Amino acid sequence: EVQLVQSGAEVKKPGESLKISCKGSGYSFTSYWIGWVRQMPGKGLEWMGIIYPGDSDTRYSPSFQGQVTISADKSISTAYLQWSSLKASDTAMYYCARLTVGIAAFDIWGQGTMVTVSS
Amino acid sequence: EIVLTQSPGTLSLSPGERATLSCRASQSVSSSYLAWYQQKPGQAPRLLIYGASSRATGIPDRFSGSGSGTDFTLTISRLEPEDFAVYYCQQYGSSPELTFGGGTKVEIK
Repeated sequence: EVQLVQSGAEVKKPGESLKISCKGSGYSFTSYWIGWVRQMPGKGLEWMGIIYPGDSDTRYSPSFQGQVTISADKSISTAYLQWSSLKASDTAMYYCARLTVGIAAFDIWGQGTMVTVSS
Repeated sequence: EIVLTQSPGTLSLSPGERATLSCRASQSVSSSYLAWYQQKPGQAPRLLIYGASSRATGIPDRFSGSGSGTDFTLTISRLEPEDFAVYYCQQYGSSPELTFGGGTKVEIK
């Protein structure tokens, strides 16, 4: 079964760092882009960035450039999203999703990781 | 950056009715690069339509997509109880980079 499994919910304080993960299985992890999508409480979907695990080529949405870092470890089929200094406004659900370039769409989604930042 | 505007924000309909959702782009989008997703409360989004009009695996044929250029439409021919959800369009650009629309909520009238 093709799936993406994300790490569990996190509760952090402002200023703390965080790295969440997304593990792919059931397909060739290095052959598909993995994207990250933010959904703030009660709001819509926002594309944050995307990485190609085969060579770690990474692209960011202008809105998120410099705010987060996307990385991947192809040896363990895992992509990451990290923050060096969290803000309360980072409170959101974060989804990873597989991009199939041939259909130009995210066809497989992780279950989401809820990040809560509160003092 | 291409901006996608979805309308209406909320659509109030009864089961069995037809739903027509609009997605308008700020510049022309290749039909091959326009997708639609469904999201139910507490769930991850699910791909419905790609390439503007192709149904993803397992999607019922009551869902159809159409359009070209800057105007795209998702139609649900007869609403089933499980279709009440939020729907998003998404475009794919070179690089790659992507954009989502703001969403349309289809609610029970």
